[in-house]
Amino acid sequence: EIVLTQSPGTLSLSPGERATLSCRTSQSVSSTYLAWYQQKPGQAPRLLIYGASARATGIPDRFSGSGSGTDFTLTISRLVPEDFAVYYCQHFGGSPITFGQGTRLEIK
Amino acid sequence: EVQLVESGGGLVKPGGSLRLSCAASGFPFITYTMNWVRQAPGKGLEWVSCISSSSSYIYYADSVKGRFTISRDNAKNSLYLQMNSLRAEDTAVYYCARGAGDYVWGSQDYWGQGTLVTVSS
Repeated sequence: EIVLTQSPGTLSLSPGERATLSCRTSQSVSSTYLAWYQQKPGQAPRLLIYGASARATGIPDRFSGSGSGTDFTLTISRLVPEDFAVYYCQHFGGSPITFGQGTRLEIK
Repeated sequence: EVQLVESGGGLVKPGGSLRLSCAASGFPFITYTMNWVRQAPGKGLEWVSCISSSSSYIYYADSVKGRFTISRDNAKNSLYLQMNSLRAEDTAVYYCARGAGDYVWGSQDYWGQGTLVTVSS
């Protein structure tokens, strides 16, 4: 099983700032199978990034993903109020599909 | 418009059973792998199971293997999760999510609103 560890657990930033979220996998994985999701309270998760760096349909270009091997990053270039949420990384390259524990992005 | 609508959640006693359903519309259901993902109250996301488009490939998380059964009816555009021998730790919102179109393994690009399952005496 691939274990995903996200850091930090909570990130406190202000609108307009840049957010950098980290996801580390327990062993090297193909970037093809790495995704990022956003979840707001009371809502279902929303796919942001797949294949480590490809934006899903309708996702603003302030969201970008990068990384390879065991280290992956989600960057939000300039935060707007609706970006404050919980973010999960996911590996879906086989069974079991696994998620990181999440990073809570909160308004400072 | 892609829509996934879950139903069947509720309160059940430990050891009991429940069957969840997910009605899909707005896309060719028959060509997509489908998933169940759950989220315990205040916790993170946990993948539960997936089923390929023709039901040829089925996978489960270890935490539910032997107790849960995923199935689909492509004629009815519906996904199901039969949950037996339920435990308190199965309490969660259960989401139906669309997976890959061409392969078993893919990200989940559309999600339902979820249905709450509570296991308690």
